[in-house]
Amino acid sequence: GQQLNQSPQSMFIQEGEDVSMNCTSSSIFNTWLWYKQDPGEGPVLLIALYKAGELTSNGRLTAQFGITRKDSFLNISASIPSDVGIYFCAGGGPNTGNQFYFGTGTSLTVIP
Amino acid sequence: GAVVSQHPSWVICKSGTSVKIECRSLDFQATTMFWYRQFPKQSLMLMATSNEGSKATYEQGVEKDKFLINHASLTLSTLTVTSAHPEDSSFYICSARPSGGGYGYTFGSGTRLTVV
Repeated sequence: GQQLNQSPQSMFIQEGEDVSMNCTSSSIFNTWLWYKQDPGEGPVLLIALYKAGELTSNGRLTAQFGITRKDSFLNISASIPSDVGIYFCAGGGPNTGNQFYFGTGTSLTVIP
Repeated sequence: GAVVSQHPSWVICKSGTSVKIECRSLDFQATTMFWYRQFPKQSLMLMATSNEGSKATYEQGVEKDKFLINHASLTLSTLTVTSAHPEDSSFYICSARPSGGGYGYTFGSGTRLTVV
């Protein structure tokens, strides 16, 4: 299956700092999703993006659907300790048979 | 909100035995469910797409005779790992797409399989 390249692989930041991560693919997707996964749990959906150029927020999180439709970005503002976890992007949609393929993940550590 | 229940949350089995994992959509109907496998510190790899009332579609490299998928109703899909071996030890996660459409797929909480 496809795998999307996500960077950075890991981040160690101070509480209160902003975070940026991105995801790139060699394929075009109609939909980009961002998930957060805690250890031993399934991923939880954070933001869904459906249109190229779309910018969507969910509290302190903001994600953008790249214009080329081959990338997406996630920003977290004013990080807090509970933001710790692994963040995954996922691309897919009708052009992939409604299947979604996941990025390699970004591990976020927030230092109080 | 949409809830997907996955059971069991963890299982230990002997090499050569089979293990069944259930994925249920509790408050919605799911025409399509997806099964993923995740190794430690790695991403989720799509194994197969499960469609209610029809055969599952497997990703390249996934043995369909080893990972049997059954989606007999709009709320239940099962993954059976047959003749399990230690290399099958992994975290298996399902996700469900509501029959009404949309792409905010909900994930189950995962099953940790350990084959000894």
